[in-house]
Amino acid sequence: DVKVTQSSRYLVKRTGEKVFLECVQDMDHENMFWYRQDPGLGLRLIYFSYDVKMKEKGDIPEGYSVSREKKERFSLILESASTNQTSMYLCASGATHNIAQSTDTQYFGPGTRLTVL
Amino acid sequence: AQTVTQSQPEMSVQEAETVTLSCTYDTSESDYYLFWYKQPPSRQMILVIRQEAYKQQNATENRFSVNFQKAAKSFSLKISDSQLGDAAMYFCAYRSSVRALVWLNSNYQLIWGAGTKLIIKP
Repeated sequence: DVKVTQSSRYLVKRTGEKVFLECVQDMDHENMFWYRQDPGLGLRLIYFSYDVKMKEKGDIPEGYSVSREKKERFSLILESASTNQTSMYLCASGATHNIAQSTDTQYFGPGTRLTVL
Repeated sequence: AQTVTQSQPEMSVQEAETVTLSCTYDTSESDYYLFWYKQPPSRQMILVIRQEAYKQQNATENRFSVNFQKAAKSFSLKISDSQLGDAAMYFCAYRSSVRALVWLNSNYQLIWGAGTKLIIKP
């Protein structure tokens, strides 16, 4: 079974702090994703990565950055946390078996509930 | 741009009965994928069922089945013989087919609905 782990289930930080959220997958997937989940808004993509050192902005990248130095690890960074970044953060990974027929499932981590005070 | 709408923020059903969760989407594409994901309380999001738009046959996974109406752009999820363990948030999601697209195109992204909270009454 695919396993996606996130460094923390719950995190409390203060406004202005730099925050690192880490995600690790053990299935050698090429693609990794960071979402934030807010009630009534579903999941919104922050960033995704399709290879080591490669990244693409999602729908709401402002205030966030990412790092993918190793294939199995994808980090989300809040350079200066703000209260409006209080949310549930979900990491996911997925394989691209064949670009012409890709139907990959995204496998999710347990989520990190971040509170910024 | 594609959108996904789940018009039911919350649904409830008696245990052992059948419930249908609705999902509509908007797209100008003819080839795409649709998904239902389940997120139990305090547990990980998991895939429930997947449908490829070019397939006319509705997907089925045990007690879960979909009613895919391509012309109406509707993709509802039916859960038969509801069980307490089915209680969760259910998300509908859309993704373009990448048959002829370069990877970097944002079409690779999943487009998500807002979710429906399903309550199972014992």
